[in-house]
This record gives sequence, structure tokens and C-alpha cells, in this order.
Amino acid sequence: GAVVSQHPSRVICKSGTSVKIECRSLDFQATTMFWYRQFPKQSLMLMATSNEGSKATYEQGVEKDKFLINHASLTLSTLTVTSAHPEDSSFYICSAKGLAAYNEQFFGPGTRLTVL
Amino acid sequence: GQQVMQIPQYQHVQEGEDFTTYCNSSTTLSNIQWYKQRPGGHPVFLIQLVKSGEVKKQKRLTFQFGEAKKNSSLHITATQTTDVGTYFCAGPQAGTALIFGKGTTLSVSS
Repeated sequence: GAVVSQHPSRVICKSGTSVKIECRSLDFQATTMFWYRQFPKQSLMLMATSNEGSKATYEQGVEKDKFLINHASLTLSTLTVTSAHPEDSSFYICSAKGLAAYNEQFFGPGTRLTVL
Repeated sequence: GQQVMQIPQYQHVQEGEDFTTYCNSSTTLSNIQWYKQRPGGHPVFLIQLVKSGEVKKQKRLTFQFGEAKKNSSLHITATQTTDVGTYFCAGPQAGTALIFGKGTTLSVSS
């Protein structure tokens, strides 16, 4: 099946710093990637939809200046958490939708962000 | 706005017992998907249902899509410890994104 990787898997940073998370589709081209946030024992909350070559579409309540998304190629999307604060600590998961008509999404392994 | 609800939130069973989780959407869905997330892991796609009244089976797992395409269920027969995890249903929202239910976390004791 299709494989999506994320890097880094874990990151600990100081408050005020920026953190970049990469999401790559390894064996397929992803025209659309999605970024989710998951708090402990909770569901996945969609943050934004990332389309290759165009601006990301953010969900209501998600600050686009704080969560910068770039989808520069068909295999890479990045999420940058700018000026991170402790409340940004969470599990960030990306997913990718392939070119086929089937609707399934392939999830990356996630990135655990801890802001001190 | 569109909502996808799942019950129960938690379910504990003895190994060998059956388990069912229910998913309800506030709107009619073109399709519904089910994912499984193991503890510490990421969601993994299980299945997609598209047709009204559709029933699909994967070994001990049976998935149903309601006639009105607003509800779905996942039934596991004779649970095993490997079934432990959180099961999410998800339906499409505007565009190609998915809206996830809150999930049902299954624990199994042997």
C-alpha cells in the first residue's frame, strides 16, 4: 500500500521557537495532503487541506499565520508551527490522498510536539 | 455544521466477546470510511462503504452502511487482543477532506 512518512517523529522545543514538520508520500503522488491535530484520547481535528501548487485551505479557528503550510511538490507538504507555545503541544498527523478515484487517505506516523 | 458522532466512546470486553461501534452523521454521506488507530500509532484505513445498505466483511469484522447513508456500524465477532485500539468512522466533508467521529476505544482482556 501507499506509504506516507513524517519527520521528525518527536520534537521538543522552547516556547517562542518555530518547528517544521515534513510529510512525504513515498511511493505515490499526492495532489492533496491534510494536516490533523490530535489531543490525547481525542479524535483527529482537521487543521488544513494542502493542495500542491496552491494555498492551503484552513479550517475555521486555525490561524494560518501560526500554522504555515507549504505544498511545493506532489510528494512533500510541510507544516511550520511558528512561535510555538505550550498549548501547541499535540500530536500532528498528516495524510495524503492519491490520484486514484478511491477516497481513502494514507496517514503518516505522526509527530509528537512538546513545547516547554 | 456537519457532525459525525460515534458511540460508545469506550468499550471493554473479554476476549471472545463481540463488539459493535455505531456511527451517525448529521448529513447524508456519499461514502463512509473506517480507520483503526492502535495505541501510540496512527490511523490505518480499514474500509470504505459507498452504497446504501452495503455490508462488507473482513474476516471477523463486519461493516454496514445504513439505508439512508447517514449511519454505519462496525461489528467484531469474537474479539481478540489484537483488536485493541480506537476505531474511527469518517465521512467526507466539503472538498476531499474527511470529518472524523470521536472514535470508540476498544480494550480486550484475556
